[in-house]
Amino acid sequence: NAGVTQTPKFRVLKTGQSMTLLCAQDMNHEYMYWYRQDPGMGLRLIHYSVGEGTTAKGEVPDGYNVSRLKKQNFLLGLESAAPSQTSVYFCASSYGLAGLYNEQFFGPGTRLTVL
Amino acid sequence: GEDVEQSLFLSVREGDSSVINCTYTDSSSTYLYWYKQEPGAGLQLLTYIFSNMDMKQDQRLTVLLNKKDKHLSLRIADTQTGDSAIYFCAERTGGFKTIFGAGTRLFVKA
Repeated sequence: NAGVTQTPKFRVLKTGQSMTLLCAQDMNHEYMYWYRQDPGMGLRLIHYSVGEGTTAKGEVPDGYNVSRLKKQNFLLGLESAAPSQTSVYFCASSYGLAGLYNEQFFGPGTRLTVL
Repeated sequence: GEDVEQSLFLSVREGDSSVINCTYTDSSSTYLYWYKQEPGAGLQLLTYIFSNMDMKQDQRLTVLLNKKDKHLSLRIADTQTGDSAIYFCAERTGGFKTIFGAGTRLFVKA
C-alpha cells in the first residue's frame, strides 16, 4: 500500500498563475483533508471532504477550491496564486471522525513557492 | 477559541530524557495525540491518550495528561539521534475538529 501520495513535491508559481495539487489514498478512507503548514504555526485546515462528491470549508479556505470526484482522490486548486499562499501543503485521510478512527494519515507534502 | 500551544525548540543530549510540553484550551477534548514529522515527510501518529486517562506508557514514550491544567506532555526516555524531528501535539475537540500545535523541534546532540 502506498498510503497517501501527493503530486507534485515542489512547485514554483508566479503571482496570478493557477495550479492543482493532487492527493491520492489507497486505504479506502472516507475522510480527506488539505492543510497548510507555515513556520511557527500549527497545521491549518483549508478544506476537507467527508465522502465522494462532498467538500466543506475549513479554517482558511479563501483562495482555494477543492474537488472529490473519486473517493481515492482529493484535489486542491489555486485559481490565482498569491505570495501569501507560499507554504507547505499536506493532504491527509482518515477512516472516520470519532476517536482513533480519526487517526489521520499524511502525505509527504508539497512545497509551493509563489513569487 | 480553541488553541494548542507548544514551545518551538528543545535540545537534549543523546541518552538523556526529552520532555515536550503542550497546553490546550478545549475542556471537552476527547483524544489528545502526538504526531512526529521527520524531515521531508508528512506527520505520523506517534501515540495518543484518551481524555479520561492520566498516563499512558508505550515503550520509551510516556504521555502525561493533566486535565485540570489542560497540560499534556510527551517524555522520550533514552533519546536517540533518530528521535530528532518535529513533534506536534493535537487535540480532538468535542466538536470533532482536530487542532494542531505549531510543533516542537527536537534536536538530539551526540
